Amino acid sequence: DGGITQSPKYLFRKEGQNVTLSCEQNLNHDAMYWYRQDPGQGLRLIYYSQIVNDFQKGDIAEGYSVSREKKESFPLTVTSAQKNPTAFYLCASSILAGKETQYFGPGTRLLVL
Amino acid sequence: AQKITQTQPGMFVQEKEAVTLDCTYDTSDQSYGLFWYKQPSSGEMIFLIYQGSYDEQNATEGRYSLNFQKARKSANLVISASQLGDSAMYFCAMRRTNAGGTSYGKLTFGQGTILTVHP
Repeated sequence: DGGITQSPKYLFRKEGQNVTLSCEQNLNHDAMYWYRQDPGQGLRLIYYSQIVNDFQKGDIAEGYSVSREKKESFPLTVTSAQKNPTAFYLCASSILAGKETQYFGPGTRLLVL
Repeated sequence: AQKITQTQPGMFVQEKEAVTLDCTYDTSDQSYGLFWYKQPSSGEMIFLIYQGSYDEQNATEGRYSLNFQKARKSANLVISASQLGDSAMYFCAMRRTNAGGTSYGKLTFGQGTILTVHP
């Protein structure tokens, strides 16, 4: 089945630790996105990528890093510089034509120990 | 800059009745796309419906329809014949598009509306 997978479902981070969230898609979509959702809030864009080896900062990129070495994969690293990382992280992908509807993965919930 | 406002933090509806979820937007762009997503308690965002700013007819997808009033900058979601499974958080979002309708840039989301369907 085609879709977007995110792992792990839950992730615990210790103070000062970098952690990496995985996002994989087999939809052959060109563009991929990372969003952060805080409780009771809408989504805010962290980073997005429209092509392999290229990515752009979103509204809240500080404390995060990404890579896009393969079309199918867009991992997000939450660095120790991100002082308030506890949130729900959603990955999405879209084609770059027509409506460009973004389709989302199941999300990763990050908690700080 | 784009802004989405959803003024209803929570809505209640009886099963089998229709419900309207409000969405107003603010943008200086001439061409844009409007989206509605459903987020159940599991967390996944499910795409429901899309309306382009130049579309002459209101979008419909099964039980979902979009009441698009461009002059008022509103894009309300109407759910007909509500079902218990419709209970979820609903988000309105928008993106800029070029004149041909292709979107680019980020999705801007509203704060969401929690819909509860009563039996």
